[in-house]
Amino acid sequence: DSGVTQTPKHLITATGQRVTLRCSPRSGDLSVYWYQQSLDQGLQFLIQYYNGEERAKGNILERFSAQQFPDLHSELNLSSLELGDSALYFCASSVTWTESTGELFFGEGSRLTVL
Amino acid sequence: KNQVEQSPQSLIILEGKNCTLQCNYTVSPFSNLRWYKQDTGRGPVSLTIMTFSENTKSNGRYTATLDADTKQSSLHITASQLSDSASYICVVSSSGGSYIPTFGRGTSLIVHP
Repeated sequence: DSGVTQTPKHLITATGQRVTLRCSPRSGDLSVYWYQQSLDQGLQFLIQYYNGEERAKGNILERFSAQQFPDLHSELNLSSLELGDSALYFCASSVTWTESTGELFFGEGSRLTVL
Repeated sequence: KNQVEQSPQSLIILEGKNCTLQCNYTVSPFSNLRWYKQDTGRGPVSLTIMTFSENTKSNGRYTATLDADTKQSSLHITASQLSDSASYICVVSSSGGSYIPTFGRGTSLIVHP
């Protein structure tokens, strides 16, 4: 158990809909990362937050947005969903964002299926 | 552009055999390299970390090597077990600029009985 909690574990929805994925980082970790993993693909970095502030952006679509709340949990919002958005979405946390030796601790992922 | 390339893309071996996975990177300036193991449908878990001054590090049956001059790393698995079936991901972090680690696409390992 990594200590990172993601909900929901599975989500099935229709094209055009909007969903919210939630992540609670490990106790004490201030940095949260979101990754997308499509079928048989590598992990694609979406966005990073540190202590409530956005620190880095990757290949995140404009239809997607995220935020980190004062209690450090984070939410990833996916809107106007398309079939191609079906994927596993992982949240990871680390202690800081400048500690480049820091290990990323991953949650179990949220599997999104868009029909 | 920082990149991490892994080979082979997939590998099938028999239980009890050894195997070696490769990772080449162009991340600069280099800080560290981690190997993660990702079981199907699960989140990746770190196996080992290599810093610039380290050449070899072992974690049980897993041994990672690093050649910082050629920017190559390998992960050797000894006496494979069925539970080793997973994707192995090479992740390289930079000590400058973006602190976002660069992920390889992973090597999918299948161990057959």
